[in-house]
Amino acid sequence: QKEVEQNSGPLSVPEGAIASLNCTYSDRGSQSFFWYRQYSGKSPELIMFIYSNGDKEDGRFTAQLNKASQYVSLLIRDSQPSDSATYLCAVTSIYNFNKFYFGSGTKLNVKP
Amino acid sequence: SAVISQKPSRDICQRGTSLTIQCQVDSQVTMMFWYRQQPGQSLTLIATANQGSEATYESGFVIDKFPISRPNLTFSTLTVSNMSPEDSSIYLCSAPRTSGAQETQYFGPGTRLLVL
Repeated sequence: QKEVEQNSGPLSVPEGAIASLNCTYSDRGSQSFFWYRQYSGKSPELIMFIYSNGDKEDGRFTAQLNKASQYVSLLIRDSQPSDSATYLCAVTSIYNFNKFYFGSGTKLNVKP
Repeated sequence: SAVISQKPSRDICQRGTSLTIQCQVDSQVTMMFWYRQQPGQSLTLIATANQGSEATYESGFVIDKFPISRPNLTFSTLTVSNMSPEDSSIYLCSAPRTSGAQETQYFGPGTRLLVL
């Protein structure tokens, strides 16, 4: 059973629209949740993290966490073609907060 | 964010040989991590490199195949031994960084390995 699940996509949105990326996780005790962006041929780069239920906003990005439903999402407002990438959801282990479990990633295409 | 460098950035190797990948972090960290990302796949943790003790390997990965060194708090190496084409992958090291009250992880640029 995968610890972290994401729809592989691709998710296509027009430029200027809101892109919604979703992630579910299996360990109810997981504490911290991360979104990484990975451009083709590059290594993952951290976008933001969240550890409290609710929303957390950072510029055009909003992370949403619902621990009861074991669900975390990333909203990208005013999507730009430069946002086209694979977005990886990561969850820390309940036994070791330095140990990250990654989802398979959702590929986002933002069309001009 | 952390500055993490890796060498080599890419290599093409012959079956049965070994390759050692180096990872350098710009500040001292207790743990460093080695991941593998196979084509079209997500990241899989290979092992945690602890300074002053043996590396901790994840299920499915063994020290004989992926020996790790951690001679100091800013450097680690991962060796891919007796390579086969199935080892063709991107190998990434990462290190933690504290952002506010939260531990995050930053990644090196990766080593792209092709085994023929």
